[in-house]
Amino acid sequence: QKEVEQDPGPLSVPEGAIVSLNCTYSNSAFQYFMWYRQYSRKGPELLMYTYSSGNKEDGRFTAQVDKSSKYISLFIRDSQPSDSATYLCAMSARDSSYKLIFGSGTRLLVRP
Amino acid sequence: SAVISQKPSRDICQRGTSLTIQCQVDSQVTMMFWYRQQPGQSLTLIATANQGSEATYESGFVIDKFPISRPNLTFSTLTVSNMSPEDSSIYLCSVPKGIGDEQYFGPGTRLTVT
Repeated sequence: QKEVEQDPGPLSVPEGAIVSLNCTYSNSAFQYFMWYRQYSRKGPELLMYTYSSGNKEDGRFTAQVDKSSKYISLFIRDSQPSDSATYLCAMSARDSSYKLIFGSGTRLLVRP
Repeated sequence: SAVISQKPSRDICQRGTSLTIQCQVDSQVTMMFWYRQQPGQSLTLIATANQGSEATYESGFVIDKFPISRPNLTFSTLTVSNMSPEDSSIYLCSVPKGIGDEQYFGPGTRLTVT
């Protein structure tokens, strides 16, 4: 079993829709949770990061962490065609290694 | 935010040869990380490179296959040695963002081995 599971998609939604992207994990030591966006042929770009449980909002993006269920989500409101990309969740145990464990990524397509 | 550049951006190499990938950061950083992203897969950490010490390799990756240099606080190289088609991947370097565990990533080097 992978430490981090993420549905690969693709997820296709119309412009303006609310998008929900999710990851589950098995390692209860994970404390730091990140979402990256990766456009085709580009490096991952950090979108959101949260520490421990709770919600964090930044513009159209909301990151949610439920440590009791080992489940994290990224919500995108009013989705735009420019949001079409692969979204990767990443986690770390916040130890001295700074090691990130990534999900496999969900490919999102926002149709005009 | 850190600006990270990688060279080359892409290359096509013959089986059995080696390729050295360069990573340059616009600020001094203690730690640099090298990742591999195989086609359709997620990112997997290859090794952590600290300036002035040997790189620390993750399980499944060895120094003979992926030698790393870290001559100063802004630069690192990763060599993919004795390449086979299974080494065809995107190779990315990253650096820590700040006091947390977030990392900035370079644009990646897309390697195809024929």
